[in-house]
Amino acid sequence: DIQMTQSPSSVSASVGDRVTITCRASQGISSWLAWYQQKPGKAPKLLIYSASNLQRGVPSRFSGSGSGTDFTLTISSLQPEDFATYYCQQTNRFPRTFGGGTKVEIK
Amino acid sequence: QVQLVQSGSELKKPGASVKISCKASGYTFTNYGIHWMRQAPGQGLEWMAWINTNTGNPTYAQGFTGRFVLSLDTSVSTAYLEISSLKAEDTAVYYCAREQYDSGWSFESWGQGTLVTVSS
Repeated sequence: DIQMTQSPSSVSASVGDRVTITCRASQGISSWLAWYQQKPGKAPKLLIYSASNLQRGVPSRFSGSGSGTDFTLTISSLQPEDFATYYCQQTNRFPRTFGGGTKVEIK
Repeated sequence: QVQLVQSGSELKKPGASVKISCKASGYTFTNYGIHWMRQAPGQGLEWMAWINTNTGNPTYAQGFTGRFVLSLDTSVSTAYLEISSLKAEDTAVYYCAREQYDSGWSFESWGQGTLVTVSS
């Protein structure tokens, strides 16, 4: 199975801050990576697919980059509604493993 | 618009079984596979399984074989997850999601989640 490792597991930040979350795959997955945002009590929401493609309707302050084994999700200017948990997921092969999550908290 | 609507919360005793439904609307059901995820209280997302809605063929993650069974009723555009011999550690929210082939096989549409509580 492909293991997905996210870091950090949590980050405290202020509104307006730039936040970067990393995700590492245990083997190469090309660009088969998605990022999701989850708020408490809600289903995850797709933000980024194929490593760097912004899902329609998602604000442009979110961006993704990387290929192979190392990936990054960046929030350029954190907004109040961005406080949530973020997950990466590889869509290269089964099982479609998720990273452990990164909780973005208010500083 | 695409919608996945899951069945309601369940409270079950250890050893019982539960069957969760995921009803799809707004698209041709058999054109897109359905995935299932588990999220234990306070924990992250765990991918469980996938079912090919065209053939009915399921694929399970290790740790989700045996007691976990996926099925379909294409006449009502519904996928099912049945869990047998329930244990306390099966207590979790279970999500279904539709894969999107033109979005890198990501999960664009999700059900609202079904909470299964296993307690005596």
